[in-house]
Amino acid sequence: QKEVEQNSGPLSVPEGAIASLNCTYSDRVSQSFFWYRQYSGKSPELIMSIYSNGDKEDGRFTAQLNKASQYVSLLIRDSQPSDSATYLCAVSKAAGNKLTFGGGTRVLVKP
Amino acid sequence: DTEVTQTPKHLVMGMTNKKSLKCEQHMGHRAMYWYKQKAKKPPELMFVYSYEKLSINESVPSRFSPECPNSSLLNLHLHALQPEDSALYLCASSQGAGGDGYTFGSGTRLTVV
Repeated sequence: QKEVEQNSGPLSVPEGAIASLNCTYSDRVSQSFFWYRQYSGKSPELIMSIYSNGDKEDGRFTAQLNKASQYVSLLIRDSQPSDSATYLCAVSKAAGNKLTFGGGTRVLVKP
Repeated sequence: DTEVTQTPKHLVMGMTNKKSLKCEQHMGHRAMYWYKQKAKKPPELMFVYSYEKLSINESVPSRFSPECPNSSLLNLHLHALQPEDSALYLCASSQGAGGDGYTFGSGTRLTVV
């Protein structure tokens, strides 16, 4: 079992719709959870971080965390063509300097 | 300054060459990282430096040699690489022990011929 798992996609959504991305992780001691956006040929960009159960909203993005289910998700509201990218879920433990990435979900927003 | 700067952006090297990748940050971050990313794959951790000391080496071949001259600089020395080492090499930094997310540099696209 991979430490962090994501559906590779592509997730195709029409412009203006909600894109819903999911991520599961295997290590229960994981403490910090992140979503990165990566455009083709570019480096990852941190868009959301979440540390406690529940929802966290930032603009059009909402991250949701459920530690009991070992599940973290990202919602993108009012999706725009510029949101077309690969979204990487990343997890770190409280101790140790290591961020583990999922395989990424490719999102395509169609005008 | 909220950036991590990597040089060069592109590098082509032969299998007998020696080259170095450089990374610099001026955010006062105390942890710095090297990641390798192949096409359509997630970043894979190579090395972690914490307070200028190597804290994690993910069983990386010795043809990759990291160096942290000071708290702002991180180098990756390359020697006798193989074509399969061609990838995007990413440097990142973080304030603490990784629990607050990383800031990535723009990467060095390495091609080994």
